[in-house]
Amino acid sequence: GAGVSQSPSNKVTEKGKDVELRCDPISGHTALYWYRQSLGQGLEFLIYFQGNSAPDKSGLPSDRFSAERTGGSVSTLTIQRTQQEDSAVYLCASSSGLAGGNEQFFGPGTRLTVL
Amino acid sequence: ILNVEQSPQSLHVQEGDSTNFTCSFPSSNFYALHWYRWETAKSPEALFVMTLNGDEKKKGRISATLNTKEGYSYLYIKGSQPEDSATYLCAPSQGEKLTFGTGTRLTIIP
Repeated sequence: GAGVSQSPSNKVTEKGKDVELRCDPISGHTALYWYRQSLGQGLEFLIYFQGNSAPDKSGLPSDRFSAERTGGSVSTLTIQRTQQEDSAVYLCASSSGLAGGNEQFFGPGTRLTVL
Repeated sequence: ILNVEQSPQSLHVQEGDSTNFTCSFPSSNFYALHWYRWETAKSPEALFVMTLNGDEKKKGRISATLNTKEGYSYLYIKGSQPEDSATYLCAPSQGEKLTFGTGTRLTIIP
């Protein structure tokens, strides 16, 4: 079946603008994750959704970042008043959410450039 | 936040040679250890998910071992091929939340 998809693949925006990044997980996957990779850095956890539970937002770097997951499927990551340090590749992943350490399936990412 | 270290940071290996690299992580509250391969312009791809101390997993020419008591995992590649060129990431998890290392960037020299 289809893998994880993300849109847009590239986004260039001006400092101070808001952006929305979209993730479509694999159908049936209950767990959804957002990560980002800034230049020269590792993959940084941002937020995790599992079913109907409250999301784990512990990785969000500031209150300018928020994410929602509607209907247990599609997720949107919103960055308000973007700053240059927000420039990064934003990756979404999903997993089956079953117990035992689940393989995460990653999307192709959105490359965000803040000018 | 878990402290995850991967070494070396980068590695150049002649085609046909074997190689290995290391992932170190806190041994307390261990849940699982993931290995991913991330090729340029592609998405990270899961290689292994390991949960048991002493576990060893193999996929073709790639294998991994796990020591949860001392907090390390080794990834081995036998007979390196150009298509093995990628960044290899390890990520211990606490529950479903992964903490990624910065990776080992492997370049295979034809």
